[in-house]
Amino acid sequence: AQTVTQSQPEMSVQEAETVTLSCTYDTSESDYYLFWYKQPPSRQMILVIRQEAYKQQNATENRFSVNFQKAAKSFSLKISDSQLGDAAMYFCAYRRGSQGNLIFGKGTKLSVKP
Amino acid sequence: DADVTQTPRNRITKTGKRIMLECSQTKGHDRMYWYRQDPGLGLRLIYYSFDVKDINKGEISDGYSVSRQAQAKFSLSLESAIPNQTALYFCATSEGQGLGANVLTFGAGSRLTVL
Repeated sequence: AQTVTQSQPEMSVQEAETVTLSCTYDTSESDYYLFWYKQPPSRQMILVIRQEAYKQQNATENRFSVNFQKAAKSFSLKISDSQLGDAAMYFCAYRRGSQGNLIFGKGTKLSVKP
Repeated sequence: DADVTQTPRNRITKTGKRIMLECSQTKGHDRMYWYRQDPGLGLRLIYYSFDVKDINKGEISDGYSVSRQAQAKFSLSLESAIPNQTALYFCATSEGQGLGANVLTFGAGSRLTVL
């Protein structure tokens, strides 16, 4: 069975600094997708970034980028120039192909200090 | 209006009561999902539906049932609520195929407290 592990329950970063959130996953599949979702205090789940396993290039969305290490089954999220609005729970998620269901990690709570 | 609407947003009920959480979407998506979020456990899948005639159990379906009344509506029922069903419940949707099938759009969540 596929699993997603986020080893950092909580992280803290100074405003304008860079922070990296870790995520590892376990799968025997070759076709899968990885995601980072953000959940601010409003509790809305917001897609931050996604990565297709068949793509070697790391995905980037503005200040958010990933370091996808397929062999190591690692999918970390880097947030550059952190802003107060980045404070939230961040969930890493895995999906097998287009038919599988989304499996979430337990989340990392990110605090941003002014 | 939100693309995925959940009602109620918050509900307090008593043990043994029947509760229905409703979800409607204007995305035109084929697929709909119900997740449960507990502190420290992330989100876990309860049920999912790939179209109106398709209902599937997820990781934690015991104690829950669902109904897909239409493409746009997917409700979750707790026939006899118990305190350990106290949680935040999310409805989500996605397209049926293509890259969009991999992107979930979430509702705002329904917080349920069972006393």
